[in-house]
Amino acid sequence: GENVEQHPSTLSVQEGDSAVIKCTYSDSASNYFPWYKQELGKGPQLIIDIRSNVGEKKDQRIAVTLNKTAKHFSLHITETQPEDSAVYFCAADDQTGANNLFFGTGTRLTVIP
Amino acid sequence: NAGVMQNPRHLVRRRGQEARLRCSPMKGHSHVYWYRQLPEEGLKFMVYLQKENIIDESGMPKERFSAEFPKEGPSILRIQQVVRGDSAAYFCASSPMEGGSTEAFFGQGTRLTVV
Repeated sequence: GENVEQHPSTLSVQEGDSAVIKCTYSDSASNYFPWYKQELGKGPQLIIDIRSNVGEKKDQRIAVTLNKTAKHFSLHITETQPEDSAVYFCAADDQTGANNLFFGTGTRLTVIP
Repeated sequence: NAGVMQNPRHLVRRRGQEARLRCSPMKGHSHVYWYRQLPEEGLKFMVYLQKENIIDESGMPKERFSAEFPKEGPSILRIQQVVRGDSAAYFCASSPMEGGSTEAFFGQGTRLTVV
């Protein structure tokens, strides 16, 4: 099955700075890579996703890049705000099985006002 | 359009009791996934179901755990004879079509505490 690694596990940035979270995956057949934001006591919320036919996707302050050759993808948050503080998870689908999502171990982002 | 609904939100069970966790997918979604999250850890895949079918249960413990998604009604994750190590948050996600290549939406989770 798919193996997803995520770094860093914790990240602190000053308000207004950028934050970057990186993930690698093992299954070269994977073609769907979502990112989820999880606030304390809540379920993961899909914030952006990218498919293997594109290299970059942007939605306001959030962008995701994908390098299929190197099998890694990244989340970029610009102009961070305190409400961006949460745990972020990357995921990749598993094409060898039943197309389940396999998650990274999460990054706890803290935006310091 | 209501989101994925899970109940109960919090569940306390004594060791040896049974826990039943319910998940109603989003309207129009026929695919359900269950994940377990231990404190300060990521989401671990447990099982993937379609209506009346278990598609992939490779993440389910071999004993005491079972899941179903009947033709009518919510998906149920059942844990028999719970132990302290079962304490975790259990999340359900649903998607409208087969496979993980489309958006999966999560519920708020059920936090199981075994005392």
